Amino acid sequence: DTGVSQDPRHKITKRGQNVTFRCDPISEHNRLYWYRQTLGQGPEFLTYFQNEAQLEKSRLLSDRFSAERPKGSFSTLEIQRTEQGDSAMYLCASRGLAIPDTQYFGPGTRLTVL
Amino acid sequence: KQEVTQIPAALSVPEGENLVLNCSFTDSAIYNLQWFRQDPGKGLTSLLLIQSSQREQTSGRLNASLDKSSGRSTLYIAASQPGDSATYLCAVRPSGGGADGLTFGKGTHLIIQP
Repeated sequence: DTGVSQDPRHKITKRGQNVTFRCDPISEHNRLYWYRQTLGQGPEFLTYFQNEAQLEKSRLLSDRFSAERPKGSFSTLEIQRTEQGDSAMYLCASRGLAIPDTQYFGPGTRLTVL
Repeated sequence: KQEVTQIPAALSVPEGENLVLNCSFTDSAIYNLQWFRQDPGKGLTSLLLIQSSQREQTSGRLNASLDKSSGRSTLYIAASQPGDSATYLCAVRPSGGGADGLTFGKGTHLIIQP
């Protein structure tokens, strides 16, 4: 069990550029979640997958955001035409179906939009 | 819409004291409640998970209680240590309807003075 990993850890981009983040969940975890956290706030849920199916999307996930998990393993989160308001920590979590159904979080990707 | 509130927002106490962190939620239709710890600039570490049918969970110096009907949870930390300094977040998982994303509070920023 190597834990949830995320890449890159930090990303600085200019407004209007597209960015893509990657999340590798704990192996054999079939559920994968994306959250966004801004300074001084708790994480906010964006979306989750069960295997390759995207089962829930928050209203926070605007049309500029898209997430995929094509083979039910790693996932990518893409933000198109970034805005300064997209600056945040993007957190990924995964869990299996066993009880307790704890979500395990990765270290996050810190995005700064200039 | 579920709302989670954590009180106090910040707390500073001398080493060795016992302390209580509070969490309240507005919708009692939850599947479980989790307490997490977050160190600056890092991801989240799960501390305790309480299923909706449970009243409390214990791990070492930590004890979490849940009163689902009143929408409250507390995290009790015994004999606090400087290494306990972090932000503590509580989060609820909804029950039913296919929703699975966690709703977080803003956290309690805890400082333990040596």
